[in-house]
Amino acid sequence: DIQMTQSPSSLSASVGDRVTITCRASQSISSYLNWYQQKPGKAPKLLIYAASSLQSGVPSRFSGSGSGTDFTLTISSLQPEDFATYYCQQSYSTPVTFGQGTRLEIK
Amino acid sequence: EVQLVESGGGLVQPGGSLRLSCAASGFTFSSYSMNWVRQAPGKGLEWVSYISSSSSTIYYADSVKGRFTISRDNAKNSLYLQMNSLRAEDTAVYYCARDHRSEWLSRYYYYMDVWGKGTTVTVSS
Repeated sequence: DIQMTQSPSSLSASVGDRVTITCRASQSISSYLNWYQQKPGKAPKLLIYAASSLQSGVPSRFSGSGSGTDFTLTISSLQPEDFATYYCQQSYSTPVTFGQGTRLEIK
Repeated sequence: EVQLVESGGGLVQPGGSLRLSCAASGFTFSSYSMNWVRQAPGKGLEWVSYISSSSSTIYYADSVKGRFTISRDNAKNSLYLQMNSLRAEDTAVYYCARDHRSEWLSRYYYYMDVWGKGTTVTVSS
């Protein structure tokens, strides 16, 4: 199975900050990488697919990059509604696997 | 409105069984593959099972293989997860999620673009 490792596991930031979350795959997954946002008590929400494609309706302050084994999710200017947990997920091979999550908290 | 609604969760004793359902609406259910994903209390997301649109391809996580069975009824726009021999470690919120395929630069990319709100399964004596 492909292991997905996110860093950091948690992050404190302020409204307006630029934030970057990293996801590393245990082997090359090309661009088969998706990002999800989850708020407490809610279902995950797709943000980015294919490493860098923005899902319809997702604000443009979210962006994704990377290929191979190293990927990043960037939020250009944090808004109050962005404080949540973020997960990466590989769809290169079955079983699909998720990172352990990055909890983004208000500083 | 595109929607997935899970049901069937509850409290069950270890070794017991439960059947989860997921009702789809607002899209052509028979055209999409589907997934079950779970989340144990305070933990991350874990993929559980996948079924293709025609049920011809099915996959399971090793943690549930031989105990869980995924199925679907396209005439009823419904997805199911039969869970047998339940263990304490199966305690989780179970989500159904639509599997979407996009083509870009001659490649197909897969992602879960619609999720239900989840149903809670608690395995405890």
